[in-house]
Amino acid sequence: AQSVTQLDSHVSVSEGTPVLLRCNYSSSYSPSLFWYVQHPNKGLQLLLKYTSAATLVKGINGFEAEFKKSETSFHLTKPSAHMSDAAEYFCVVGDNYGQNFVFGPGTRLSVLP
Amino acid sequence: DSGVTQTPKHLITATGQRVTLRCSPRSGDLSVYWYQQSLDQGLQFLIQYYNGEERAKGNILERFSAQQFPDLHSELNLSSLELGDSALYFCASSVGAQAPYEQYFGPGTRLTVT
Repeated sequence: AQSVTQLDSHVSVSEGTPVLLRCNYSSSYSPSLFWYVQHPNKGLQLLLKYTSAATLVKGINGFEAEFKKSETSFHLTKPSAHMSDAAEYFCVVGDNYGQNFVFGPGTRLSVLP
Repeated sequence: DSGVTQTPKHLITATGQRVTLRCSPRSGDLSVYWYQQSLDQGLQFLIQYYNGEERAKGNILERFSAQQFPDLHSELNLSSLELGDSALYFCASSVGAQAPYEQYFGPGTRLTVT
């Protein structure tokens, strides 16, 4: 069975400072991992995905995430936060052997001026 | 724009009524997923279809049903509506039936039950 834990329900950073959103997963098989962003009253947009290629994955809008198998983590980072990054972020695990996608509970990112 | 379209954008209806939400997947995608997002429950997976066949079921109530048509569009039917069914309903599509194929989400249908 798969599961996803997002360790912080809310993260607040100042504009121009680094962003770290934490995600830990559990999967019986080789997982695929995704980060999605949801701006208020909008659909979810794919930020990046890991599918067993390079462990450091670069996404859109300057975000990147590193797959660490030993830590079962897939944390999302960005060097410098922008006001437009304020949104809800979801970590998702997909099992490549037929299990369905499992969404984490989400982390709300606030960016202060 | 993800390429996934959902209609209507907003829907307001009364308790006990029935509504149909429609989703058109991205061109070439065979798989359609339905999700419900509410403040108290978060994002809940309801059901998945792949090339016209039901593939996976999540937390979908018996009052809810869905289908995927030969042209691959999908409809989610919600009946005997209750106040608690008020939520954002998202459709997503993907090329394949499972990971590593990512899902692309539509803009959602906001359902308000009064």
